[in-house]
Amino acid sequence: AQSVSQHNHHVILSEAASLELGCNYSYGGTVNLFWYVQYPGQHLQLLLKYFSGDPLVKGIKGFEAEFIKSKFSFNLRKPSVQWSDTAEYFCAVNPTSGTYKYIFGTGTRLKVLA
Amino acid sequence: KAGVTQTPRYLIKTRGQQVTLSCSPISGHRSVSWYQQTPGQGLQFLFEYFSETQRNKGNFPGRFSGRQFSNSRSEMNVSTLELGDSALYLCATRGLAESEQFFGPGTRLTVL
Repeated sequence: AQSVSQHNHHVILSEAASLELGCNYSYGGTVNLFWYVQYPGQHLQLLLKYFSGDPLVKGIKGFEAEFIKSKFSFNLRKPSVQWSDTAEYFCAVNPTSGTYKYIFGTGTRLKVLA
Repeated sequence: KAGVTQTPRYLIKTRGQQVTLSCSPISGHRSVSWYQQTPGQGLQFLFEYFSETQRNKGNFPGRFSGRQFSNSRSEMNVSTLELGDSALYLCATRGLAESEQFFGPGTRLTVL
């Protein structure tokens, strides 16, 4: 069955620390990949997406993610986090053929200490 | 353009009752998906509608149902509510030319 794994459920960092959140998926075909963010009290919004081309994609607020096809991974990174990055982060996969489903990971709660 | 709207935002029900949630998509979006979000489980896919037809369904019992109207608005119904149905129910819509989904604020359902 198709699935998305986010290995870090809770992450606590100090401001200015570097961030990397892991995301791995299980699906053999072509996929679109997404990272969504949910700030406290707000609804999910798109952080960045990968459809094709350059496997290093840049999103909003200084976030980037790298698609490594051989590892079925799409890890999210930010070189220096801010207190305002405190939120829950979700990785999602959308197989490009045969289904219109989006499969989400269980999320990673990030807390950034000021 | 206006975003995805969901009503009501909060709902408290008791076990055994039924509930109907509503989602109005972004103008022009014909795909509407529903998700259940609970702590530790992330977003669990319920179903997706496109042009009034259910295109995909997740692994939820038949108590969970939905429909879509000709104006693309969608409703989700849960019958015979159980305590475990307490969750944030999210609606997401997508346009034809877009692969990304746009989410509404959700309906927080509490079952007592």
